[in-house]
Amino acid sequence: SQQGEEDPQALSIQEGENATMNCSYKTSINNLQWYRQNSGRGLVHLILIRSNEREKHSGRLRVTLDTSKKSSSLLITASRAADTASYFCATDRGSTLGRLYFGRGTQLTVWP
Amino acid sequence: NAGVTQTPKFQVLKTGQSMTLQCAQDMNHEYMSWYRQDPGMGLRLIHYSVGAGITDQGEVPNGYNVSRSTTEDFPLRLLSAAPSQTSVYFCASSYSFADSSYNEQFFGPGTRLTVL
Repeated sequence: SQQGEEDPQALSIQEGENATMNCSYKTSINNLQWYRQNSGRGLVHLILIRSNEREKHSGRLRVTLDTSKKSSSLLITASRAADTASYFCATDRGSTLGRLYFGRGTQLTVWP
Repeated sequence: NAGVTQTPKFQVLKTGQSMTLQCAQDMNHEYMSWYRQDPGMGLRLIHYSVGAGITDQGEVPNGYNVSRSTTEDFPLRLLSAAPSQTSVYFCASSYSFADSSYNEQFFGPGTRLTVL
């Protein structure tokens, strides 16, 4: 069964705008991760946030985590056409076995 | 480093045929896994391995076998292909599963499988 549920399913914006994607999950976690998938390619890891962290930055990416609400958000600032991709959140469901459970993803389209 | 490599990139099978999807990594990662991705779905875990000689089932293991004889290789075998196994298959690896701070996964480019 899916763990993360991304919202919205699809997002369309203009270059230069900010893009915000949300992820909700159902169980306790050790960490939550965000991945990007360009069309026809494998997934690429973007950022990992641990359960005891509330916010993390990496370049134009900002991730927040609210464990009380079991939710996370990914903000991409000043979007570029090259950011067009699907974005997935993944959690470990509190396991230390390395297993990850992915959501269905948000399809982001950035128009030039 | 080549990272995670997968072969073949594309494959068409007939119902009932068997085949092996190859996966290799050159990063000395302990953890390797196989996922399938279907349209509109996220990735679903098929099988995973926490080290050579150790494998376990994921969410959707039926119809698939794996083995891990070396740290580098983690092949996925389809025993008797069915149309329901038409999907894109991804192999992934990560450095350490024990420390959750470092279990980001590195993905291969995928194998697109069609079963007729």
